[in-house]
Order: sequence, then structure tokens, then C-alpha cells
Amino acid sequence: SAVISQKPSRDICQRGTSLTIQCQVDSQVTMMFWYRQQPGQSLTLIATANQGSEATYESGFVIDKFPISRPNLTFSTLTVSNMSPEDSSIYLCSVGAGATGELFFGEGSRLTVL
Amino acid sequence: TQLLEQSPQFLSIQEGENLTVYCNSSSVFSSLQWYRQEPGEGPVLLVTVVTGGEVKKLKRLTFQFGDARKDSSLHITAAQPGDTGLYLCAGLSGTYKYIFGTGTRLKVLA
Repeated sequence: SAVISQKPSRDICQRGTSLTIQCQVDSQVTMMFWYRQQPGQSLTLIATANQGSEATYESGFVIDKFPISRPNLTFSTLTVSNMSPEDSSIYLCSVGAGATGELFFGEGSRLTVL
Repeated sequence: TQLLEQSPQFLSIQEGENLTVYCNSSSVFSSLQWYRQEPGEGPVLLVTVVTGGEVKKLKRLTFQFGDARKDSSLHITAAQPGDTGLYLCAGLSGTYKYIFGTGTRLKVLA
């Protein structure tokens, strides 16, 4: 199993500002995943973060809007840039368990953009 | 684009009732998972199904993977208030990426 800690757990932000979300894992993992969960919705994959290389973004998500860092095998950050109210969501960090394929999630970071 | 449609979207039932949640796609998945998410938390894995036609039981929950590996169902027997939550199916796309279904929000009333 993996224990994932995310910070902040929630924040209220002003339009036009940027916020960086941190994700810390208690073990070394190759891939980390960032998901967005809009209010009342399911999870949408934003990008896959690999240590030592550029993140791989899904269709509809771009690096300028959601820059990701992955400085080592236990940590990643996601920045939500130039926020608008449409960015109000829960952002979830996730890692896979390899052999079992289970995904472990952090508790999420709930962003509200005014 | 691979999509997983879940039905129903919302379900409110009385304690003790049975229910079934469906997860359907036009794509084939090598494996499919079911998660439950409670407010303020991340999703937690309930089960993984891999073989077409596979049936897995987890206490009062029964999971089935369709023969063609395009669909799945979750059946809950004698639902309890503790079963309340958002149920998500997720299909493995490629080697490591999971596509999540649209979600079913279940509320079990005492």
C-alpha cells in the first residue's frame, strides 16, 4: 500500500492567481498521476508525472495551465495557473501499486476560485 | 476516446434493499476496477476484475465483468447506510492509465 499526503487540503483563491498543490508519498514510485474531480463529477486524468522527464498530459490539459514538477521518486507538485472559477475542483494525486494495479489516492485538494 | 458510462447516476434507497450499478463501454478493457469514494477522501479500491465473465464477491457486494470485457456490474445485497458514497468504475487503458466512469452516487437511508 501507499500513504499519500496532499497539501493544501483546501483553499479559496482569487481569479487570476496560481496555486501549487504538493503530493508526498511514503514510498518511491515511478509514476504519479494527477486527477481533477469537478463538483459532483467523476475523475479526469490531467497528467502522468515521471521522475526525470516531462509530464505527459491528457487531451484538454496543457503544461502552461497545469505545470507539474517531479523532483524525486516520492514527491510531485501540480500548479493551477491563472485560475478562473471553472478551475474550482478537487485535485487528487495518485500512485499505482504495480503488480496489483491498485491506485492509491491522496485525500485531495479542494480549490474554490472566486 | 474511451468512455465508461455508469447507470444510474443517482440512487437513493432504504436500508435493506438490493441494488445494481452498471458500467458500460464500447471499448474493451484488460481489467476493470471498482472504487468507492466518501466525502473529503480519495477513492478506495473495492475490487479488480480481469477475466471476461469473472464474478467476485466481497461480503454483500458482487462484481461481474462482462464476457467481452466491455462492461461490468456491481450488485449490493441488503444495503446499509455505511454503503453510502460515490461508486466509480475504472478501466485500464494501455499499460498503466485508468479511465474512470461517470460515477454513481448512492445514498442508503436508515
